[in-house]
Amino acid sequence: DADVTQTPRNRITKTGKRIMLECSQTKGHDRMYWYRQDPGLGLRLIYYSFDVKDINKGEISDGYSVSRQAQAKFSLSLESAIPNQTALYFCATSAAPSITGANVLTFGAGSRLTVL
Amino acid sequence: AQSVAQPEDQVNVAEGNPLTVKCTYSVSGNPYLFWYVQYPNRGLQFLLKYITGDNLVKGSYGFEAEFNKSQTSFHLKKPSALVSDSALYFCAVRDGSYNFNKFYFGSGTKLNVKP
Repeated sequence: DADVTQTPRNRITKTGKRIMLECSQTKGHDRMYWYRQDPGLGLRLIYYSFDVKDINKGEISDGYSVSRQAQAKFSLSLESAIPNQTALYFCATSAAPSITGANVLTFGAGSRLTVL
Repeated sequence: AQSVAQPEDQVNVAEGNPLTVKCTYSVSGNPYLFWYVQYPNRGLQFLLKYITGDNLVKGSYGFEAEFNKSQTSFHLKKPSALVSDSALYFCAVRDGSYNFNKFYFGSGTKLNVKP
């Protein structure tokens, strides 16, 4: 099984619908992230969480919300999806800096979202 | 503000030739620098990192990168390219502050290795 699992892998929805992307990890990492990938723009940070009680906005948080249900689970929601949220979404994890290898991100396989 | 620039959208190289994928960065404090690779329909995979020490860092699949502080660059290199190296490559930087684990990514460079 993958260390970081994202569901769904692909989703097509309509404008105005609520969408949730889920992420779970077996790495035991405290830190989790949601990124968005658009062609030519690379990865942009949406939200990040350093532990269950810590949620922080990233560069492009408008129109998104997150929930850290447990150390291993971090979900991303689009309350009312719009077409310019069509993108590839990645969940990632990392350990805290005090642990060897802490600087490395482990990514899920991605969730491709299309908003019509 | 932290930022990463990858000036080339695409790099084309013949199999067996050396390859270079360029990256420059801007960060406050000491930089922590990374390269990731993305194969089609896959998430990003870690290749190598520079935290401190030797400016030449060796990573997975025969890749290496050279940290140049004066030029604020961290170019990815490989002496002999393989067709299987064709993928999308991302440079990333994080702030060197101890407890701040936030990463910034470049826009990506598509590497095409032709037989």
